[in-house]
Amino acid sequence: KAGVTQTPRYLIKTRGQQVTLSCSPISGHRSVSWYQQTPGQGLQFLFEYFSETQRNKGNFPGRFSGRQFSNSRSEMNVSTLELGDSALYLCASSLLGQPEETQYFGPGTRLLVL
Amino acid sequence: AQTVTQSQPEMSVQEAETVTLSCTYDTSESDYYLFWYKQPPSRQMILVIRQEAYKQQNATENRFSVNFQKAAKSFSLKISDSQLGDAAMYFCAYRRGSYGKLTFGQGTILTVHP
Repeated sequence: KAGVTQTPRYLIKTRGQQVTLSCSPISGHRSVSWYQQTPGQGLQFLFEYFSETQRNKGNFPGRFSGRQFSNSRSEMNVSTLELGDSALYLCASSLLGQPEETQYFGPGTRLLVL
Repeated sequence: AQTVTQSQPEMSVQEAETVTLSCTYDTSESDYYLFWYKQPPSRQMILVIRQEAYKQQNATENRFSVNFQKAAKSFSLKISDSQLGDAAMYFCAYRRGSYGKLTFGQGTILTVHP
């Protein structure tokens, strides 16, 4: 099975712009979670989607949003980019999103905001 | 709120030797899951080992084993016969209940010397 894929791998934006990142889960996985990784804050949970519905959300401002499509692919959007949004964005998939399941991570999208 | 603490920002080990990475966590729950993930320079997060809190037996995966002390809320990772390919950032993570959300420690950078 192919692993979790994320596109694009690298992205450079300027402050005030918006950005959309994409994640394709492992085939058959229906839960997709997003994380932000920065040197200062470490790995922080953004949100989780299952069957096109957001089931859980971390403590991030409303500028961070996401969605999931019927094929389980997910996108996250960040509007009005700030310098502090520069980070590695990781998505992870699992079968149903249950606590006992292992999450499998993608390679990440490196976002640089200038 | 659950917290995960990795008190060793950096560790080093000689090839073929054994190293132990520490992790403590804070939770009032009795049923949860603990994970160790490895993140090499390529940035792809890879699951190393997982432990169910209801299991008394420590998990083992080849050269990787854990010492799970539930009462002490401690979950250390032992890497035996260290190899150059083990060099990476290691994250301890906790999960309980809520969909998708993993709570990560700050990570430990492991260097393996030939």
